[in-house]
Amino acid sequence: AQSVSQHNHHVILSEAASLELGCNYSYGGTVNLFWYVQYPGQHLQLLLKYFSGDPLVKGIKGFEAEFIKSKFSFNLRKPSVQWSDTAEYFCAVSSSSASKIIFGSGTRLSIRP
Amino acid sequence: NAGVMQNPRHLVRRRGQEARLRCSPMKGHSHVYWYRQLPEEGLKFMVYLQKENIIDESGMPKERFSAEFPKEGPSILRIQQVVRGDSAAYFCASSPPGLANYNEQFFGPGTRLTVL
Repeated sequence: AQSVSQHNHHVILSEAASLELGCNYSYGGTVNLFWYVQYPGQHLQLLLKYFSGDPLVKGIKGFEAEFIKSKFSFNLRKPSVQWSDTAEYFCAVSSSSASKIIFGSGTRLSIRP
Repeated sequence: NAGVMQNPRHLVRRRGQEARLRCSPMKGHSHVYWYRQLPEEGLKFMVYLQKENIIDESGMPKERFSAEFPKEGPSILRIQQVVRGDSAAYFCASSPPGLANYNEQFFGPGTRLTVL
């Protein structure tokens, strides 16, 4: 069965620090990969997605993620975080043969101003 | 173009009552998905519907839960005889027609169900 692991439950950073949130998935076939963000009081928004092609994916608000197939990983990065990046971040995967999305348990990111 | 609409945003029910959650997909979208988020957990897939058809209900509990997406009107997630363990946030998502596997899902604001 597919599964997604996000190892960091809560990350606290200062403004301008670099960010990397880990995500590993378990699935043997072709996958689609996503990072969603949920800002306080708002609903889920798509940050970026990978379906095929260049494994380095650029998303909104300066975020990027790299798909490393050999490691079953899709880590999210941002070189310099801002206070407004405070949110919960969800890594997610779907297989190319099914449309349901499997979500990780989320990482809460807190940024100190 | 309005986003995915869900109502009510908050719903309180006593044990044994029924809960009805509504989802109106984005205009032009014909695929609807329901997810449940329990406290301190990620979203868990429940069911995937197209108009008048249930495509994948592998995440739906076997009893008390049902979902529909009629030809006209919103998609409904119905929970009969609610129990405290049903307390959660229920999210609806929609995607446009075509290959659902490759379409981004757009999420609604969720309905927070509290069972007393």
